[in-house]
Order: sequence, then structure tokens, then C-alpha cells
Amino acid sequence: DTAVSQTPKYLVTQMGNDKSIKCEQNLGHDTMYWYKQDSKKFLKIMFSYNNKELIINETVPNRFSPKSPDKAHLNLHINSLELGDSAVYFCASSQGPGLAEETQYFGPGTRLLVL
Amino acid sequence: AQSVTQLGSHVSVSEGALVLLRCNYSSSVPPYLFWYVQYPNQGLQLLLKYTTGATLVKGINGFEAEFKKSETSFHLTKPSAHMSDAAEYFCAVSDPTGRRALTFGSGTRLQVQP
Repeated sequence: DTAVSQTPKYLVTQMGNDKSIKCEQNLGHDTMYWYKQDSKKFLKIMFSYNNKELIINETVPNRFSPKSPDKAHLNLHINSLELGDSAVYFCASSQGPGLAEETQYFGPGTRLLVL
Repeated sequence: AQSVTQLGSHVSVSEGALVLLRCNYSSSVPPYLFWYVQYPNQGLQLLLKYTTGATLVKGINGFEAEFKKSETSFHLTKPSAHMSDAAEYFCAVSDPTGRRALTFGSGTRLQVQP
């Protein structure tokens, strides 16, 4: 009964490739997020969607494109992968419209290694 | 802009000892404050949060934190450490005046020695 799930768990790929990471939540939440955790464990928000609408779009290369087919799914597509994209990517969700006080529920992470 | 500083990237305590993990923030408005825990190879889990009301907040697993506005701090404590508390702990803030995501500190790894 995983609340927030991500696939794949591990992703090893070559520079220049295009890859996607999928996220699904079964909590009935309205808002979903993508975070990047670098090798020093620093977590930074990338995107946030509320009911399929983009509400946060931080300074991220346009090689990264989020897609939300419905409010239970938020996928992350990365074009032309670079070495610096190697990181752990976390999906999260929250119940409301993305307000500051909402608790976020995190998925287990996708470990991306670009060679 | 907001920022979070966690003093001590690594903290080691003995089992049964007091746990104190420090968090200081910088924000133009009083923020909402969170502590999340990350166990190895897992996602983050909320320990506790402060939004309004009582400044001493109790969370899961015996942890608590106190919001001190004058010190811009939100330190996490637990009276007696268990081996199972070994994990990475993240302090985070959010801006209550807008729909913003969390700004995280750099994390503190807690080791518990037998």
C-alpha cells in the first residue's frame, strides 16, 4: 500500500540520453512535487503541480520537463542527460493546494547515475 | 528569501543520551518550520512541524522541537536516543505568505553508539 511510489528506483544511463521518471500517489492529494537531492544530501525543489497545473517552477534547465496527466501522477522527463544530473530525485505530494503549512509525503526516491 | 542552517553535519551520541540537532533559519517573515527524517535508502518522513500556536511541538518517536523567534531557531531534541534513531535529519522552512515549497537545510546525520 505504497502512498507515493516512484519508478524506476535506480537508473543508470549514458550522457546525452533521454529518460523519464514516473511518480504516482494514491493518497488523493491535490499537489505533487519534484525535488533533487545532490551528492551532499542537499534537497532542492524543482517543480510543483496542483491539480495538473504548474505552480512552482524553480530555476531548472529546460532539459527537465514535468508532465502531470492527472492529479495522481507527476512524471519527470529529462532530455540530453549530463553528468551533473546524477542525483536522487524525490517525488512528494500534499493534500491541499500547495500551501506553506501542508505536510509533504515523499516517495522512496529514484537514484539516477549518468555515465 | 529564506535559508536554513543546520549546525553539525554529523552528530554522534550514545544510546540513552540526549539528542540535540540544531536548526537556525533566516526569513523576512516568521516561517513555518518542519523537521523531516530520512532513513537509509528511503524517502523523507515528517517528524514534526510548527505553524502557529504553542511553540513547543511534539512529534513522532519521542522527538520535540521548540520555536524560538528571538533566536530564529527550531532545535530538535529527544531525551533518550535509540539505535533506531540513526538517520539523516532535515530542518525545513516555508513561507506562510505564499504557496511555496520547502527550503531545506543541508541535513544532520545522527549516529547512535551502543
